[in-house]
Amino acid sequence: SQQGEEDPQALSIQEGENATMNCSYKTSINNLQWYRQNSGRGLVHLILIRSNEREKHSGRLRVTLDTSKKSSSLLITASRAADTASYFCAYNTNAGKSTFGDGTTLTVKP
Amino acid sequence: EAGVAQSPRYKIIEKRQSVAFWCNPISGHATLYWYQQILGQGPKLLIQFQNNGVVDDSQLPKDRFSAERLKGVDSTLKIQPAKLEDSAVYLCASSVSSDFRNTGELFFGEGSRLTVL
Repeated sequence: SQQGEEDPQALSIQEGENATMNCSYKTSINNLQWYRQNSGRGLVHLILIRSNEREKHSGRLRVTLDTSKKSSSLLITASRAADTASYFCAYNTNAGKSTFGDGTTLTVKP
Repeated sequence: EAGVAQSPRYKIIEKRQSVAFWCNPISGHATLYWYQQILGQGPKLLIQFQNNGVVDDSQLPKDRFSAERLKGVDSTLKIQPAKLEDSAVYLCASSVSSDFRNTGELFFGEGSRLTVL
């Protein structure tokens, strides 16, 4: 598969807990992005991290990037029921190729 | 600011019929993408336009799929003839970046869900 790999495929947690999902890729990248998709809707951009960055924060989101391991993680802190969605990473090469992973489905129980 | 518009939202056709999807990107966005998303999978790039030129169509099944971007603005994706395995959501996205080598944030439409019977 040319897709990135994400794990876990599915994650179920209680409201207030933290959720961590991981993304691995196979090539050199320019940047890596995380997107969210609610059921039956389009994808919404969450955060972009460049290849020369190691960590980035946005509200309750924390993204890390380890280019030596070709991996990234997305941490959602103090999760809410409204965070229930699928989360996708997309890595972008210097040639302009953008590849999405198969996503992690997050369920946050109230 | 208006988002990416797509139509139709839903389409059901018989196999071997044809179908067309339309996308109007955010005004001023130079780059336009069509993705295919099969249930339970991530989006797969079909074609990428920079203004009205094709940057990447390496994963577009050219024997049945075609796409064009008129005057560098809106775009149509056509499937003819459709197969059962074409059942998926077709997502259009646009990006303000005029440098296709430096992919920034993508703005997605709501998608067009195709069911082929």
